[in-house]
Amino acid sequence: DAKTTQPNSMESNEEEPVHLPCNHSTISGTDYIHWYRQLPSQGPEYVIHGLTSNVNNRMASLAIAEDRKSSTLILHRATLRDAAVYYCILRDPLRLSSGGGADGLTFGKGTHLIIQP
Amino acid sequence: AAGVIQSPRHLIKEKRETATLKCYPIPRHDTVYWYQQGPGQDPQFLISFYEKMQSDKGSIPDRFSAQQFSDYHSELNMSSLELGDSALYFCASRLGTDPRDYEQYFGPGTRLTVT
Repeated sequence: DAKTTQPNSMESNEEEPVHLPCNHSTISGTDYIHWYRQLPSQGPEYVIHGLTSNVNNRMASLAIAEDRKSSTLILHRATLRDAAVYYCILRDPLRLSSGGGADGLTFGKGTHLIIQP
Repeated sequence: AAGVIQSPRHLIKEKRETATLKCYPIPRHDTVYWYQQGPGQDPQFLISFYEKMQSDKGSIPDRFSAQQFSDYHSELNMSSLELGDSALYFCASRLGTDPRDYEQYFGPGTRLTVT
C-alpha cells in the first residue's frame, strides 16, 4: 500500500490559516487522497478528499500537487476547535469494489495540530 | 442528525474474560467498520461488513470475531481478553453501494479496560 508522511506536530495561532502537508511519493493513479481528523476524546471525522484537482468544502481546502506526490490541507481560519490530529490517507476505490468497497482506512502517523489563542 | 451509536461506552473486564461491543450504524447505512485505538496510538482497522457479509479484514486477532445482523447493527466479540486489548474501539458506518462514496462516519467509541 502507498504510504503517507506527515509532520508529527504543527502549531498555529487562532484565526490564521494553517497549511498541513502530506507526502505520498508512491501514490498510484487510482488512489484518492483523504483527510480525516480526530478531536480529543472523539472518533475520527472526515474532512475532505480529492483525486487530482484542488477541492474546497465548508471545512477546508485540499491542494494537490501536479505530480500528486504531495498534498496540503488548508484550514483558512483556524479556531481552537480545530486542534486535533489530522490524518492524510490514501484510498483506492477500485479495491474491494466487488464487495461494496468496504475497505478499512489505514491511519498512519498524523499531524498533531496545536492552536494557540 | 442521527449518528453512529456504540454500546457500552465504557467496559471493564478481567483477563481471560469475554466482551461484546455493539454498534448501531446511521439509519440506512449498510456498511460497518471496526477500529481499535490503543493508548497514544493511531486507529487500526480491524474488520468491515457490507450487507451482512465480511468485506475486508485488517489486524483483527483470532480471539476476536464480529458479525453484522439483518438490521445492520454489528457486534464485536472478544474472548480470552488480554491486558493489551485495553483500547478505544470505534465503529464507523457508511452507505456502501457506491465504493466512491467513501466518507466513514465514526461513533464515539467504547473504552475497554482489561485488568
